[in-house]
Order: sequence, then structure tokens, then C-alpha cells
Amino acid sequence: GEDVEQSLFLSVREGDSSVINCTYTDSSSTYLYWYKQEPGAGLQLLTYIFSNMDMKQDQRLTVLLNKKDKHLSLRIADTQTGDSAIYFCAERGDSNYQLIWGAGTKLIIKP
Amino acid sequence: KAGVTQTPRYLIKTRGQQVTLSCSPISGHRSVSWYQQTPGQGLQFLFEYFSETQRNKGNFPGRFSGRQFSNSRSEMNVSTLELGDSALYLCASSLEGGLTSNQPQHFGDGTRLSIL
Repeated sequence: GEDVEQSLFLSVREGDSSVINCTYTDSSSTYLYWYKQEPGAGLQLLTYIFSNMDMKQDQRLTVLLNKKDKHLSLRIADTQTGDSAIYFCAERGDSNYQLIWGAGTKLIIKP
Repeated sequence: KAGVTQTPRYLIKTRGQQVTLSCSPISGHRSVSWYQQTPGQGLQFLFEYFSETQRNKGNFPGRFSGRQFSNSRSEMNVSTLELGDSALYLCASSLEGGLTSNQPQHFGDGTRLSIL
């Protein structure tokens, strides 16, 4: 079945850029999403990209999609302590109403 | 526009009891999905309801059940609670459109269930 994989942890220094990576197996993916989860809260939709796009930028966030390699990344510029959270990647195919989720990447900010 | 509302936020139960959790989706959203989140297993899909019908189901035992009402509000029930059912239960709602339309899920803050 479809699968989405992410590294479990990423540690960066405050002010640096963070790059969180995600790989997926579903070649029929239509939309790919990034969600953020802060402690004690639900998941918050950060951004998404349609599969016919290579890049999407939204303020400090840049999403890159390499459809050939089935690789998605989220770059957070000028990482701040408030960015400390778990980031989930999710993808949706063209034949399933459900999203397929990665395990989440915990972003740790070092002062 | 109000977000997804889950009640209660916290719940403590003992083994063998049963529990009902509630989710009110964003107004206009017709799809409601439920997830179980634990530190060890991550985000696990339970089931999805659309128009009062279960449309998708994850790999959970029959002790986990749900339903959706005509106003799209949803409840999930867990019977004969086990220690391993301790988790954050998240509800997410989305619009219903075509399969290829953008359907992000919008999450509530979850119900934290602790089993003693």
C-alpha cells in the first residue's frame, strides 16, 4: 500500500534554515500537505502543494516537490523557537478520500 | 468561522469501561475522520464518516466504533477500555468534493484519554 516516510528528528540552530524531508510511494498523488503540531494541540495545516507544481513559497515557508523522486521538502527560513513542533507530511492520491500520513518529524531548536 | 470542536478535552476512565467522544466539524464540512495518536505508534487512522456513512476504516478492533449525525457531527465510542487505549484522539473535518479536489483536513485539539 501507499507509504509516507519522514525522519523522526531534526535539530537546527535558531536563525538557521530548517529543511524537513518526506518521501512517498503513491505515484498518483494529487495533493501533498504539511501540518504542524505543537505540544498539547491538534494538527495545524501549514501549506500544501498540488502535484503539478515544483515549488510553493509562503512567507518563511518553501515547499519543494520532486515528483520523479517522490520527494517533498519543507524549508523554514530563519527558524525561531516558536517553530519547535512536530511536522507531518501527508499525501492524497486520486483514488482515495483518505490522506496517507508520515510519522512526523520533531524539530528541535538550539539557542 | 469556528474550527473543529472536540469534547471533552480530557477524560480519565478505568479498564473495562466505555467512552464516547464528540466532534463538531467546521460548518459546511461533511467528512469527519478520527485518529488515535500515541508516542509509540504516531498518528493512526481509525475511520472516516461522510453523509452519516462510514466511508473508510483503519485497522482497529471492533471495540472502536463511530457514527455521524445528519448535521455532520460525529461521535466515536470505545468499549471495554484497555490500558493501551490511552492516547490523544483527534478528529478532522474536510469538505467533500471530487476525489481530485483539494481536501485538506482541519483538526480539532483532540481528547486526551487516560485509562487507569
